Amino acid sequence: DQQVKQNSPSLSVQEGRISILNCDYTNSMFDYFLWYKKYPAEGPTFLISISSIKDKNEDGRFTVFLNKSAKHLSLHIVPSQPGDSAVYFCAARGKNNNDMRFGAGTRLTVKP
Amino acid sequence: DAGVIQSPRHEVTEMGQEVTLRCKPISGHDYLFWYRQTMMRGLELLIYFNNNVPIDDSGMPEDRFSAKMPNASFSTLKIQPSEPRDSAVYFCASSLGTGRGNQPQHFGDGTRLSIL
Repeated sequence: DQQVKQNSPSLSVQEGRISILNCDYTNSMFDYFLWYKKYPAEGPTFLISISSIKDKNEDGRFTVFLNKSAKHLSLHIVPSQPGDSAVYFCAARGKNNNDMRFGAGTRLTVKP
Repeated sequence: DAGVIQSPRHEVTEMGQEVTLRCKPISGHDYLFWYRQTMMRGLELLIYFNNNVPIDDSGMPEDRFSAKMPNASFSTLKIQPSEPRDSAVYFCASSLGTGRGNQPQHFGDGTRLSIL
């Protein structure tokens, strides 16, 4: 069962523009959400997270937005850079629960 | 600052052979996770440990798979006998406990396993 869904397998944006990656979830018990970035032949690298008590968390060029009523979160990267080109995974887990569920990933390509 | 270390990075072996994957978590982390990534199923949790004790192994596909954590700095995932459908990238991750607030998992670079 796909409890975390990333419906866009790929996204291409121009350098300097905004990248918006989307993620939907079905389990209302999830209360901690994360984004990971993955380069080829490397493991996923933690990027940014958000707790369900917040609706926004910002870290430099990266901002994660959470809409609990819609069970939707998004990652905004602005401005996008070619080095941001990677696969981005959305992940979620419940309170005091270490069983983290991952989306299928979105491949972001930032063109110079 | 060493991250999660996995070995080997690549493993190619013949069907029926025993395969052992190794993981060294980040020092001080009390949770360790084993994941498998395939094209069909994406990234799926196989098993995780807390303070060296297996907590949830419901993701382990079948009895051919076993995992151990003899101490806080070492874990193994073993497949015996291996089958071609076990071919995948296996990731190990570690984290601090949720008792210290929300903590992300930190991943190793994975072992790419090919069973011929």
